[in-house]
Amino acid sequence: EPEVTQTPSHQVTQMGQEVILRCVPISNHLYFYWYRQILGQKVEFLVSFYNNEISEKSEIFDDQFSVERPDGSNFTLKIRSTKLEDSAMYFCASRSTWQETQYFGPGTRLLVL
Amino acid sequence: AQKVTQAQTEISVVEKEDVTLDCVYETRDTTYYLFWYKQPPSGELVFLIRRNSFDEQNEISGRYSWNFQKSTSSFNFTITASQVVDSAVYFCALSPGAGNKLTFGGGTRVLVKP
Repeated sequence: EPEVTQTPSHQVTQMGQEVILRCVPISNHLYFYWYRQILGQKVEFLVSFYNNEISEKSEIFDDQFSVERPDGSNFTLKIRSTKLEDSAMYFCASRSTWQETQYFGPGTRLLVL
Repeated sequence: AQKVTQAQTEISVVEKEDVTLDCVYETRDTTYYLFWYKQPPSGELVFLIRRNSFDEQNEISGRYSWNFQKSTSSFNFTITASQVVDSAVYFCALSPGAGNKLTFGGGTRVLVKP
């Protein structure tokens, strides 16, 4: 069964460093999303992406964040200058044109020191 | 604005007991979608069920069943004859329309003891 994949599974970085989180959505899906979950808290929406542009973004998704679909398969989230409070699990999700359900990847656990 | 409330933070049961998870939502949209996701200890988010606002039929799928009541804005989820593998955090989520962002509840941790 097709699934969303994410790399790396874990990333440790120093405050102020740039990180890029990578996602490979399900192959025939055209809608992509990033969510984050701070440890022990609820899952929060960051951004949605369709047709090579951002459809919607949350207040969390400030100028330090950017998304890109650099090729036909990858979908990336970049945090330009990480802060301690960016430590969280980051989930990528994708959805097909014909179905409302978003399918999530296994997540990348980011720890900012 | 949308809101999803899961009042139960943690539920502990003994194996084979039934578990019902409550979910109450708020939305001004007339069309919306409701979901339940499971997050096992390994951390991933696993889709369980989806309901459209215009379909209040309640269903059973294996050991899972759900009760969608528009009149009370509730979308409750029941696990029948719970098993240890059901131990996880369960999230209720709401989307205002196809393709739109999911708003999650705070989650309910279910612990099934042998």
